[in-house]
Amino acid sequence: EAQVTQNPRYLITVTGKKLTVTCSQNMNHEYMSWYRQDPGLGLRQIYYSMNVEVTDKGDVPEGYKVSRKEKRNFPLILESPSPNQTSLYFCASSSIYNEQFFGPGTRLTVL
Amino acid sequence: SQQGEEDPQALSIQEGENATMNCSYKTSINNLQWYRQNSGRGLVHLILIRSNEREKHSGRLRVTLDTSKKSSSLLITASRAADTASYFCATDGRETSGSRLTFGEGTQLTVNP
Repeated sequence: EAQVTQNPRYLITVTGKKLTVTCSQNMNHEYMSWYRQDPGLGLRQIYYSMNVEVTDKGDVPEGYKVSRKEKRNFPLILESPSPNQTSLYFCASSSIYNEQFFGPGTRLTVL
Repeated sequence: SQQGEEDPQALSIQEGENATMNCSYKTSINNLQWYRQNSGRGLVHLILIRSNEREKHSGRLRVTLDTSKKSSSLLITASRAADTASYFCATDGRETSGSRLTFGEGTQLTVNP
């Protein structure tokens, strides 16, 4: 089944404790992206990747890192999480200029 | 920055009625896409319309695109309670190097049984 998976689905952590949210797709898509969704702000893009070893900042990259060592994986790294990074995070993938497939979301709470 | 802006922010209708949502954007696009999101869940792609297309249909959905006005509309005909969700438009801007979607804040549609 074609899908985008994210782990974990729910995470509660404390300020400053490094964490990684994994994202994997099985559709051989070139393009992958991370978004955060906050009430009243809609979806905002954090980082995106056009292909392996190619990443670029989105609209709200501060406090986040990504890597794209393999085509199928695009982890989101929070080196030192802060409470303002409490949000609902989505990973998405697509072939270029086509519809995006979204993962189920990761709800992160930073205390 | 948010390129797509949906209108209205919220819409409440009765089952069987049609629902129309609008989206405006600012810059040239490769395509415009509509997505649906049930509360707290992932987004699901509904329909993609390319910049050289003016209208597209998919089941009960009809999307129009007016590039001269930089606007799009999503029409859901004969709505059902199960259509209750948030609907987002997203633009794939020509000014970017590739496929990079910018989402609006969405329209919350409530269909009352």
